[in-house]
Amino acid sequence: LAKTTQPISMDSYEGQEVNITCSHNNIATNDYITWYQQFPSQGPRFIIQGYKTKVTNEVASLFIPADRKSSTLSLPRVSLSDTAVYYCLVGTNFGNEKLTFGTGTRLTIIP
Amino acid sequence: KAGVTQTPRYLIKTRGQQVTLSCSPISGHRSVSWYQQTPGQGLQFLFEYFSETQRNKGNFPGRFSGRQFSNSRSEMNVSTLELGDSALYLCASSWGQGNNSPLHFGNGTRLTVT
Repeated sequence: LAKTTQPISMDSYEGQEVNITCSHNNIATNDYITWYQQFPSQGPRFIIQGYKTKVTNEVASLFIPADRKSSTLSLPRVSLSDTAVYYCLVGTNFGNEKLTFGTGTRLTIIP
Repeated sequence: KAGVTQTPRYLIKTRGQQVTLSCSPISGHRSVSWYQQTPGQGLQFLFEYFSETQRNKGNFPGRFSGRQFSNSRSEMNVSTLELGDSALYLCASSWGQGNNSPLHFGNGTRLTVT
């Protein structure tokens, strides 16, 4: 199971683009990379998922280099409501593994 | 579609008691997994069920148990509660097969043990 490493915290100003990078050196061939957002006293919420190159949806983009040993979540033009903890999760869905969340990145948006 | 529903939302129990938490997954999802979240330890995997069978279990003592019913609803039970069991307990559901089935979380049950 690929262990992930993310920055513990980040600060950014409103309106800026924020990039959060996750390292996963031991990623396996079948592993997908999934990012979640969590607000206090709520469950994590799915943001985006990818396998390689670039994925974009209405809220974020996910960049994955060719070696797949890292990934970058990009949040365009952040607002105060983007203040949350962001988790990078690497793996398949159970079966023969226990999904392990890392410490996450606490993102604080400054007005 | 309705999201993952967890009940109760808050619970206060005394040391030594037992507690049962409930989770209703998204319709059509056959996998349900449970997590414990505390400020010190973060999100820790408890166990996962698929089609009423436990497929995997985290590193928690036997006081923590669970089950899944034929309609995919799941319950987890903690017996002989300890102060350290105070946490947010989260349930997540997913389609459960294939390598890219994202987890959908409920808002959790906040358990306080006094």
